[in-house]
Amino acid sequence: SQQGEEDPQALSIQEGENATMNCSYKTSINNLQWYRQNSGRGLVHLILIRSNEREKHSGRLRVTLDTSKKSSSLLITASRAADTASYFCASPPRNAGGTSYGKLTFGQGTILTVHP
Amino acid sequence: DGGITQSPKYLFRKEGQNVTLSCEQNLNHDAMYWYRQDPGQGLRLIYYSQIVNDFQKGDIAEGYSVSREKKESFPLTVTSAQKNPTAFYLCASPGGTGELFFGEGSRLTVL
Repeated sequence: SQQGEEDPQALSIQEGENATMNCSYKTSINNLQWYRQNSGRGLVHLILIRSNEREKHSGRLRVTLDTSKKSSSLLITASRAADTASYFCASPPRNAGGTSYGKLTFGQGTILTVHP
Repeated sequence: DGGITQSPKYLFRKEGQNVTLSCEQNLNHDAMYWYRQDPGQGLRLIYYSQIVNDFQKGDIAEGYSVSREKKESFPLTVTSAQKNPTAFYLCASPGGTGELFFGEGSRLTVL
């Protein structure tokens, strides 16, 4: 079953605009992570937000987490054509410890297209 | 540079054949994971290994097998028992804070 579900499934914007992607999850989490995947490539970790954090920034990325609503959002500001990719949210099991951190449950992703 | 190397990038299989996908890491990580990705889908966990000579089934282990004889290597065999093997296969290893480092993937197509 899907732990994370992204919304929208696809997003098309112009360069310079902001892009917002949302993720909803079903069970309690220790942390929530966002990944990026360029077409035909592996995933790249973007940012991790812990359950006791509400907002986190990394460069042009801003992630928020609302544990009461079981939701997270990823905002990419001043988007560039190079931001075109699929974006996934993922979370480990609540009782994950040690190396079982890698047992992530992924959403289906948001396909972001940024037009130059 | 440290990282995860998967090979081959593209692989074609005839029905009834077993194929093995390679995953090598030089990150000195204990744990390694195999995920499967179907078009337009998220990733699903096939197998994982937390330490040498030990591995556990993930959510979709049927039709797959693995071995972990060395810390650096975690090969995945797609057997003939896997009825729908065409997919993109990703190997990964978790860092100290829980983030996953991924290889570039192997795309398997059944002819």
